[in-house]
Amino acid sequence: KAGVTQTPRYLIKTRGQQVTLSCSPISGHRSVSWYQQTPGQGLQFLFEYFSETQRNKGNFPGRFSGRQFSNSRSEMNVSTLELGDSALYLCASSSRIEQFFGPGTRLTVL
Amino acid sequence: KNQVEQSPQSLIILEGKNCTLQCNYTVSPFSNLRWYKQDTGRGPVSLTIMTFSENTKSNGRYTATLDADTKQSSLHITASQLSDSASYICVVSEESGNQFYFGTGTSLTVIP
Repeated sequence: KAGVTQTPRYLIKTRGQQVTLSCSPISGHRSVSWYQQTPGQGLQFLFEYFSETQRNKGNFPGRFSGRQFSNSRSEMNVSTLELGDSALYLCASSSRIEQFFGPGTRLTVL
Repeated sequence: KNQVEQSPQSLIILEGKNCTLQCNYTVSPFSNLRWYKQDTGRGPVSLTIMTFSENTKSNGRYTATLDADTKQSSLHITASQLSDSASYICVVSEESGNQFYFGTGTSLTVIP
């Protein structure tokens, strides 16, 4: 069974630009969650999608948005990038019991 | 308030030594508790998952314990190796299965 895949793995953007990250969950998993991880902050929950609907949302500004497609693949978008958005963005695919993480996308904002 | 706290924040041990990481939680109603290992710059990888009725679970040199009464878990690493250097994250999920609560992790460094 293939694991969670995320693209791209690395990304460099400048302030003010926007970015779209992609996540393909494990086959059969309908829940996809997104997290931001920065040094010293740990994993911060962004949002969760289940069957194309946003089910939970963390405490992030509206510049962070996401969506899920009918095949459960998910995208996350960040508009008007700020320096503080530099982080590792992790996607997790969930069954009822367990959560599996992708390798992450390392975003650097210059 | 549902919370997960891990200790110590960081730990340095000599190769070959054992160590124990702690996780205390207040999440209720409890569904399961997982320990993840995260290498620098990579996504977390699951080590163990424990439900309410499980007290101990092992995965090679990793042994997790759970005391659901005191809401405490520990991860014991035996005969540490350099490759054990990573961040170890404790995650507790609610009974609904929809909410996952993360600890801030313990950074383990194994030195030769």
